[in-house]
Amino acid sequence: EPEVTQTPSHQVTQMGQEVILRCVPISNHLYFYWYRQILGQKVEFLVSFYNNEISEKSEIFDDQFSVERPDGSNFTLKIRSTKLEDSAMYFCASSRDRLSNQPQHFGDGTRLSIL
Amino acid sequence: AQKITQTQPGMFVQEKEAVTLDCTYDTSDQSYGLFWYKQPSSGEMIFLIYQGSYDEQNATEGRYSLNFQKARKSANLVISASQLGDSAMYFCAMRESNTGNQFYFGTGTSLTVIP
Repeated sequence: EPEVTQTPSHQVTQMGQEVILRCVPISNHLYFYWYRQILGQKVEFLVSFYNNEISEKSEIFDDQFSVERPDGSNFTLKIRSTKLEDSAMYFCASSRDRLSNQPQHFGDGTRLSIL
Repeated sequence: AQKITQTQPGMFVQEKEAVTLDCTYDTSDQSYGLFWYKQPSSGEMIFLIYQGSYDEQNATEGRYSLNFQKARKSANLVISASQLGDSAMYFCAMRESNTGNQFYFGTGTSLTVIP
């Protein structure tokens, strides 16, 4: 069964550095998402992406964050000038369309640790 | 107001017994979808089951079933014949048709299956 893949599985970065998290969504999916889960807390929506542009974003997704689909398969989340509070698990997800009955398929996540 | 409320931070169940994980939701949309995800200790998010707001039958998927009570705005997950591998965090999520395509997650329930 096709799946969403994320790399790396764990990223350790010094505070103030830039980090890029990578995702390969399921190939016939059109909608892509990033979520964040701070340790012990619930999963929070960051951004959704469709047709090469952001379709929706939360207030967490400020100017520090950006997303890109640099080619036909990858979907990236860039965090500029990382802060300690950016430490979290970051999940990429994709869905075939945006109908309410479609599940979003999640990757295994990237655990980001900011030192 | 919280979109998704899960009031049981932790639950225990004896192996082979059934367990119900509670979820209530808040929406003014007529069309929405309710989802349950399992998150093992390894961290990945696994889609379990879906219930649509217009579905008259409760969803079932193997040992998982969803007790959908629309008037009460509840969508409880029932796991029958619990197995040790069911020990994990369980998240209830909702997707609304009219307000974008992000998922709203609850705070999760940690289920421990006792041998």
